[in-house]
Amino acid sequence: AQKITQTQPGMFVQEKEAVTLDCTYDTSDPSYGLFWYKQPSSGEMIFLIYQGSYDQQNATEGRYSLNFQKARKSANLVISASQLGDSAMYFCAMREELNYGGSQGNLIFGKGTKLSVKP
Amino acid sequence: DTAVSQTPKYLVTQMGNDKSIKCEQNLGHDTMYWYKQDSKKFLKIMFSYNNKELIINETVPNRFSPKSPDKAHLNLHINSLELGDSAVYFCASSQVWDHAYEQYFGPGTRLTVT
Repeated sequence: AQKITQTQPGMFVQEKEAVTLDCTYDTSDPSYGLFWYKQPSSGEMIFLIYQGSYDQQNATEGRYSLNFQKARKSANLVISASQLGDSAMYFCAMREELNYGGSQGNLIFGKGTKLSVKP
Repeated sequence: DTAVSQTPKYLVTQMGNDKSIKCEQNLGHDTMYWYKQDSKKFLKIMFSYNNKELIINETVPNRFSPKSPDKAHLNLHINSLELGDSAVYFCASSQVWDHAYEQYFGPGTRLTVT
């Protein structure tokens, strides 16, 4: 079973509008971390935002916020005021607690969502 | 002031050759990783090292051998290269092993095997 599901292979958004990229995850571990990474066409992987499973508030970093709904096991990324430079692949990832259920503590990635920002 | 660096950025070689990719981090992190990104952009862990010791070795052919001479370096040597090894290989590092800190990635090495 997939641990991280990103159901949107590709999305378009108009410049200056907000966009939500979906991510659902599957774990029975009570302690885990959720991450979003951006991969522009140049290829590097850029860390955007982190949410811990015990964090009471949704994480925010500038124009990025993470809509964390623990009961629904979703961790959607919201990008406000989209810019042309936001066009990229976006990856959701999860890290379970070390040694829980056989976890070796590595990052598990989703298949990514390709975001295109239209001028 | 690059945090995680990899060399080379591009590597084109023929089947059967042996090649190495080097990785260095200047963040003072304890843990380093190698990931493989396939042609469909799927990223998968290959190896993890914590303080120079191998922690994770996923189902990777033993033609791939990581080596960590010190905490700041994790190199990847690949023997007898095959067409299916063509991919982008990323090195990454994180502060410690046993907590869910973010990982910082290098720029990637695009390996093409002909």
